[in-house]
Amino acid sequence: SQTIHQWPATLVQPVGSPLSLECTVEGTSNPNLYWYRQAAGRGLQLLFYSVGIGQISSEVPQNLSASRPQDRQFILSSKKLLLSDSGFYLCAWSVEPEDTQYFGPGTRLTVL
Amino acid sequence: AQSVTQLGSHVSVSEGALVLLRCNYSSSVPPYLFWYVQYPNQGLQLLLKYTSAATLVKGINGFEAEFKKSETSFHLTKPSAHMSDAAEYFCAVKGNAGKSTFGDGTTLTVKP
Repeated sequence: SQTIHQWPATLVQPVGSPLSLECTVEGTSNPNLYWYRQAAGRGLQLLFYSVGIGQISSEVPQNLSASRPQDRQFILSSKKLLLSDSGFYLCAWSVEPEDTQYFGPGTRLTVL
Repeated sequence: AQSVTQLGSHVSVSEGALVLLRCNYSSSVPPYLFWYVQYPNQGLQLLLKYTSAATLVKGINGFEAEFKKSETSFHLTKPSAHMSDAAEYFCAVKGNAGKSTFGDGTTLTVKP
């Protein structure tokens, strides 16, 4: 069966520090991968999605970036965090044609 | 382009009462539609999906939804609410390149 992992589960970082969140998927090949952010009390915002290794599309201009170094690994990064980067970050995967989204457990990021 | 509107950001029902969460969609092609549930500090889980088969779709935890093309709706129902149903619910429609468009979410409160 398929499994998706995210770590860390919680993170508290100072403003201006770097960020690296990792997501890995098991049990499927060549999935579409996604990074979402949920701000407190708000819906899902799609940040990045990837249809293959090294193929990243950005949905929202910001100081975050994403990389996909392996088929089932998706990394969200920042060189310098802002207060507004606080939120709940969710990784998800899907396969065509239905593209049902399967979500990881999330990372709660607090920037102070 | 596809879009989703969830009517009512908060819905409150008594335990044992009918649950009705509303979702209207817009899509230029026959849609794939989804309902997801999110419990506090967790990722989203798939409740049910419509993929152009039966218009009445049954999901987990006793939920079901009916696809009505004439009304462009995909409302989520459950005959009898349980305390454990308290959560946030998201309606989504599949878009281009595997991406899904999510509604803003509806928080369901169940009163004893």
